Amino acid sequence: AQSVTQLGSHVSVSEGALVLLRCNYSSSVPPYLFWYVQYPNQGLQLLLKYTSAATLVKGINGFEAEFKKSETSFHLTKPSAHMSDAAEYFCAVRSSGGYQKVTFGTGTKLQVIP
Amino acid sequence: EAGVTQFPSHSVIEKGQTVTLRCDPISGHDNLYWYRRVMGKEIKFLLHFVKESKQDESGMPNNRFLAERTGGTYSTLKVQPAELEDSGVYFCASSPGTGGATDTQYFGPGTRLTVL
Repeated sequence: AQSVTQLGSHVSVSEGALVLLRCNYSSSVPPYLFWYVQYPNQGLQLLLKYTSAATLVKGINGFEAEFKKSETSFHLTKPSAHMSDAAEYFCAVRSSGGYQKVTFGTGTKLQVIP
Repeated sequence: EAGVTQFPSHSVIEKGQTVTLRCDPISGHDNLYWYRRVMGKEIKFLLHFVKESKQDESGMPNNRFLAERTGGTYSTLKVQPAELEDSGVYFCASSPGTGGATDTQYFGPGTRLTVL
């Protein structure tokens, strides 16, 4: 069984401020972890993924996430928010091995205030 | 290379009608997935095809939903008859099919279904 919890359905940050979106997961086997982003009126785009290599994963648009097994967390960060980062962000987990469905969190809408 | 495409982008139907959603995966991807997001809730898995075979349909809500993938290329998801609770955004995704770490799922833009 696998699950994802995203803390905060809405997060607001000022332009230039740190972005921190929280994600905790549960998985009975070593997981693959993902962050997807959905910009307004667009589909889901892969931001980054953890696949058991480096624990600090860098993605597109300056985002990164750190896998912490002891905390079962995979928080998404960006040092300086840009207006174009306003979107909805989804954390997701997939079990390693075989063809497995992806389980998503409920999403966090990021608002960037000028 | 074209991404996952879905048609239509929006559909508004009345309760009791039938709607068919279409998904064209990335060329060469054996795996095709359907997901749904009901308003305000998480994106939930519906089913998974490997080529033309259903690998996992544990997420299908009920027998009003029928998914097909004839020939292992595009897929259709039919809802018949549609109910109010079927409203939401239906996403399709595809992946190459290695099953390993590189088997990332790529998502389409979704079809927004509204049942009145």
